[in-house]
Parts: sequence; structure tokens; C-alpha cells
Amino acid sequence: EDQVTQSPEALRLQEGESSSLNCSYTVSGLRGLFWYRQDPGKGPEFLFTLYSAGEEKEKERLKATLTKKESFLHITAPKPEDSATYLCAVQLYNFNKFYFGSGTKLNVKP
Amino acid sequence: DAGVTQSPTHLIKTRGQQVTLRCSPISGHKSVSWYQQVLGQGPQFIFQYYEKEERGRGNFPDRFSARQFPNYSSELNVNALLLGDSALYLCASSSNDRGLAYGYTFGSGTRLTVV
Repeated sequence: EDQVTQSPEALRLQEGESSSLNCSYTVSGLRGLFWYRQDPGKGPEFLFTLYSAGEEKEKERLKATLTKKESFLHITAPKPEDSATYLCAVQLYNFNKFYFGSGTKLNVKP
Repeated sequence: DAGVTQSPTHLIKTRGQQVTLRCSPISGHKSVSWYQQVLGQGPQFIFQYYEKEERGRGNFPDRFSARQFPNYSSELNVNALLLGDSALYLCASSSNDRGLAYGYTFGSGTRLTVV
């Protein structure tokens, strides 16, 4: 059964304290893995797409990596404005299948 | 440029009623997808339409239906509402039918409450 699991469910960091969020997946035929950021009461905001194992993408304090079984979102020296729920999603080669994980709620304290 | 717009933003309905939610994609985007997001969970895929044709359907009952119009806007209809249908309904658009490279752009959603 296709499955996407994110951990931890919630993460509290001090400003400047770097950490990583995990997205593990068990799917058949991965076309792409997506990372999104979601603020309360808003729709998800696109961050990255990763296609193959070994691929890395960066944007400001965020860096996403992909292996054959999981993806990491590394947050370097986070700021309070990075507080949000981070969602990962996988798209399968049967492209009408698009699964989201339950998200990691990140809270960065000043 | 306008992003993905959804209407209404909030809605309260009674069990057994029917509801129609509307979505206007980004100009030039031909793909529209619908998602249901229950509080504390990730979005769940309901439908995808591309060039007015249904391209994908998630594991939702037949009470859920959708369509896409010639101007690429879309409607999601839910019949015989249940309390469990209370959720944030998200619409996402993409320039292609796969949402790759630039991902899907989401609207802010319609918050549906069934009482």
C-alpha cells in the first residue's frame, strides 16, 4: 500500500537551532516528491520538487534531499517566520495519484 | 497576477444538504485539482481535471463530483452532506497535467462546516 509518513509531528526550535524534518515513503513508481509549506488558514505553498535519489535543492534557509526511501528538509539557522506546517507529497507514475503526508508543525521561538 | 481563487471562503451547511464550491485557476493553467484537508492532517486528493477531462479520482464516494468549464474554472459538488465532510477544501492549479517542476499552486481554500 502506498504510504507517506512525516516525522516528527511537531518540532519546537530556538531561533538559530538547525534541524531536519523527515518524509519517508513506500510507493510504487515515484515520479516526484514535493515539499510544501502551509501557514494556518492558508493553502500549501510550493517549495521544492525532487525527482531522483541523490538530488538536492536549496532555497534560503531550506535544503531538501532525496534518497530511495525518504526525503529530508534541512532548516539551517531558522527564524520565527519559518514557523509553519511543512508537508511532503509524492506523485506516482500513475500521475493521478498524489499523496500528502500529515505534515510537521514547526515552531521557532525567538 | 491573481493566484488561485476559491469561493466562498467559509460555508455552513446542514446534514443532507448539497454544496457547490468554486475555483478559478491561475490564468493559463489548464489543470485543476481538488483536495480535502481535515484539521491536523495533510490534504487528500479528490479529483484532477485537465483540459476539461477528468484525469484522476481519489478514494471518495460518489457523493463527490466535479467538472471543469471551457475557461478552466472548476466546481466541486458534494451531495447528501455528512458531518465528516467538514473540512478545508483546497483547489490547486498547474500549467500541465502533472504539476511537475513548479508544483501545484493552491488557493486558500473553502472552509466547510456541516452541522
